[in-house]
Amino acid sequence: QSALTQPASVSGSPGQSITISCTGTSSDVGGYTYLSWYQQHPGKAPKLMIYDVGTRPSGVSNRFSGSKSGNTASLTISGLQSEDEADYYCSSFTSSSTPVVFGGGTKVTVL
Amino acid sequence: QLHLQESGPGLVKASETLSLTCTVSGGSISSSRYHWGWIRQTPGKRLEWIGSIYYSGTTSYNPSLKSRVTISADTSKNQFSLTLTSVTAADTAIYYCASQRIGYCDYWGQGTLVTVSS
Repeated sequence: QSALTQPASVSGSPGQSITISCTGTSSDVGGYTYLSWYQQHPGKAPKLMIYDVGTRPSGVSNRFSGSKSGNTASLTISGLQSEDEADYYCSSFTSSSTPVVFGGGTKVTVL
Repeated sequence: QLHLQESGPGLVKASETLSLTCTVSGGSISSSRYHWGWIRQTPGKRLEWIGSIYYSGTTSYNPSLKSRVTISADTSKNQFSLTLTSVTAADTAIYYCASQRIGYCDYWGQGTLVTVSS
């Protein structure tokens, strides 16, 4: 069982905006700003899309944005495109004995 | 820009030891900027952090694996390695090495599938 909870799937039509949630506790998501998001296409390694809640690495489209409220973080993809179809994982620093925890992943489908 | 590449056997027999190496290019593993980590992805796609090593040699391990895991580094080859003993079918996964900062991994290797056979 993953430490962070994500919806199994989210879908949207091209051009629409979708939001993926990531729920944890005050020991991880709620307690720190070290929250990141990864995109994974089939057969590929995860790619960092967002770190420190809402910071995009160089080269990541500004259609991807992150936020956090309490124990829940969110990844929003605006202007949905076919290439956004992938699995998305959140990750957080945690005060538990494991410094890194991941969500179970969300499959994004572009209709 | 960092580039990481995993190498090692793709098939390991149950009860034996899994050994993987990650070769880093584009940067030095002696840099204090990063921890160097291992993450695995199960057939069910769940990601699990295994552990990491810092340039000082300090290691950190997932408690669920700690009794079986060792991560070491060879600065002369710019490589770091993972050893997992007494493997079972539950250790079958894609193993990734990555450069790790606080709360995120910014560069990942392509991953290597390790299957544990009975």
